[in-house]
Amino acid sequence: QSVLTQPPSVSGAPGQRVTISCTGSNSNIGSGYDVHWYQHLPGTAPKLLIYGNNKRPSGVPDRFSGSKSGTSASLAITGLQAEDEADYYCQSFDSSLLGWLFGAGTKLTVL
Amino acid sequence: QVQLVESGGGVVQPGTSLRLSCAASGFDFSNYGLHWVRQAPGKGLDWVAVIWHDGSDKYYADSVKGRFTISRDNSKSTLFLQMNSLRAEDTAMYYCARDVDGYNGWDYWGQGTLVTVSS
Repeated sequence: QSVLTQPPSVSGAPGQRVTISCTGSNSNIGSGYDVHWYQHLPGTAPKLLIYGNNKRPSGVPDRFSGSKSGTSASLAITGLQAEDEADYYCQSFDSSLLGWLFGAGTKLTVL
Repeated sequence: QVQLVESGGGVVQPGTSLRLSCAASGFDFSNYGLHWVRQAPGKGLDWVAVIWHDGSDKYYADSVKGRFTISRDNSKSTLFLQMNSLRAEDTAMYYCARDVDGYNGWDYWGQGTLVTVSS
């Protein structure tokens, strides 16, 4: 089954660093397809946070960074701020489904 | 500035149809692929369908294949999603999203339109 697995939740205190993992398979991340990350506050438009595994769109603070290795990817957020509290989704293309996959999302709580 | 505005959502009965629209502005609509994505209550984002910039190719998630049809009118900068044979599990907020270039994510999204399928 083609899925991207994320932890349901992560938390950290203001100023701390957190990471969110995204584990895929050989039909998506492991096939070389790029991983993108989105920040989403329910009821609002999702925001592209990281594209192409580790690139930041203009306007996204450098506190956000992405990486990819093998069949997994990670999003790191340093210097946590209250405004970072949101849901975070990883995304990649899947060659078995011939479509795009999202992880189930990770809820970030800033303590 | 780039804007995507969805409309057409509502409350409908199972088995009926609904047509969503996504009106775009602020960019050359005919140069971009576009997606529909949905989020069921309490669930995560779920890709629904994509259409190429010129409408030449379309792909669907298995869950909607044969029931939903994506289309676009480049002369009116509008994306559509025709949803037939609606089921309770289609209840969700539906978002349209602009694909940067097929490789670099989806850079603009609308605010969504809510579809509720209930008897």
